[in-house]
Amino acid sequence: GIQVEQSPPDLILQEGANSTLRCNFSDSVNNLQWFHQNPWGQLINLFYIPSGTKQNGRLSATTVATERYSLLYISSSQTTDSGVYFCAVLLDSGAGSYQLTFGKGTKLSVIP
Amino acid sequence: EAGVVQSPRYKIIEKKQPVAFWCNPISGHNTLYWYLQNLGQGPELLIRYENEEAVDDSQLPKDRFSAERLKGVDSTLKIQPAELGDSAVYLCASSRGTRGTEAFFGQGTRLTVV
Repeated sequence: GIQVEQSPPDLILQEGANSTLRCNFSDSVNNLQWFHQNPWGQLINLFYIPSGTKQNGRLSATTVATERYSLLYISSSQTTDSGVYFCAVLLDSGAGSYQLTFGKGTKLSVIP
Repeated sequence: EAGVVQSPRYKIIEKKQPVAFWCNPISGHNTLYWYLQNLGQGPELLIRYENEEAVDDSQLPKDRFSAERLKGVDSTLKIQPAELGDSAVYLCASSRGTRGTEAFFGQGTRLTVV
């Protein structure tokens, strides 16, 4: 099956710093999502981004599908940004069945 | 618009007991997923429904797990009998349409088997 690798696995930032999270995937995908899992376990949708660049406030994402990677940028980090960031890819596994496969996540800790 | 609703939020059971989880997807969403998330890992697919049909259940341990989605709306996931290794978070997600559109997740059910 498709492999989804995220880096770094852990990241500690001082409040106000910027960061870049990376997601590499091993095969062509139909789509890609970024999620933030908060300390209560809820997966929050950040971006639905098959290609190109999107921005939402302090967060932005870029997917280069031809090179099989996506980047999530967090600027001016805040303590509320802490949690685990997941990349998930949508792949047509055949016969029109789409499967959402997750990476292992990047655990971000923002300290005051 | 209400999000994906799951219940219960937490469940503690003794091993060998049965347990069931319930999911109500976002209104109008045809596709429903059940995922399993172990501590420190990303979610892993258990089963995917398109309307009432289970189109991908290859990861579902069918000896003890079962799922249903009657009328193509709500879904239940059952484990019988539960084992210690089933302790995890069970997540439900839904998406509109059947061609890999954006998925939205519920808050999950945290299961502890003792």
